[in-house]
Amino acid sequence: EPEVTQTPSHQVTQMGQEVILRCVPISNHLYFYWYRQILGQKVEFLVSFYNNEISEKSEIFDDQFSVERPDGSNFTLKIRSTKLEDSAMYFCASKGTGIYEQYFGPGTRLTVT
Amino acid sequence: RKEVEQDPGPFNVPEGATVAFNCTYSNSASQSFFWYRQDCRKEPKLLMSVYSSGNEDGRFTAQLNRASQYISLLIRDSKLSDSATYLCVVNEGDSSYKLIFGSGTRLLVRP
Repeated sequence: EPEVTQTPSHQVTQMGQEVILRCVPISNHLYFYWYRQILGQKVEFLVSFYNNEISEKSEIFDDQFSVERPDGSNFTLKIRSTKLEDSAMYFCASKGTGIYEQYFGPGTRLTVT
Repeated sequence: RKEVEQDPGPFNVPEGATVAFNCTYSNSASQSFFWYRQDCRKEPKLLMSVYSSGNEDGRFTAQLNRASQYISLLIRDSKLSDSATYLCVVNEGDSSYKLIFGSGTRLLVRP
């Protein structure tokens, strides 16, 4: 069964450093998403991406965040200068055309110290 | 204003019990509805989509009441492996298809 994969599973970084989180969506899906979940809180939408551009972003997704699809398979989330409050689980999800269901990757746990 | 609201629980039930979870959503334009299951520190996993006519998948039954903006999930014959957090999730029908999550209802099934 096809699945979304994410790397790394855990990233520890110092405040102010740049991090790149990587995702490989399900191969025939065209809609891609990043969500985050701070420990003990609900899953929150960050950004959606379709047809090589951002289709929507939340207020969390400020200028420190960016997304890219550098090739035909990877989808990345970059945080330019991490803050302590960026510590969270970051989930990538993808969706096929003509369906509403989104499938999530296993997540990257980001710890900013 | 909470967009998707759930009772946080926990619901603590014995194996074999029937348990029901409810959820309300605030946006009447919402178009699609889901229940996801999340185990501790894991990703949300799609349990089932919810349709207006109601739908059943084995021991799980989901119902949607658009007039009341209310979604339910019924689990029959609970198993120990059903212990998890159940997330009520809504797509508001915008072009991005982003998902709005409830905070989840925690279920503990005891032997």
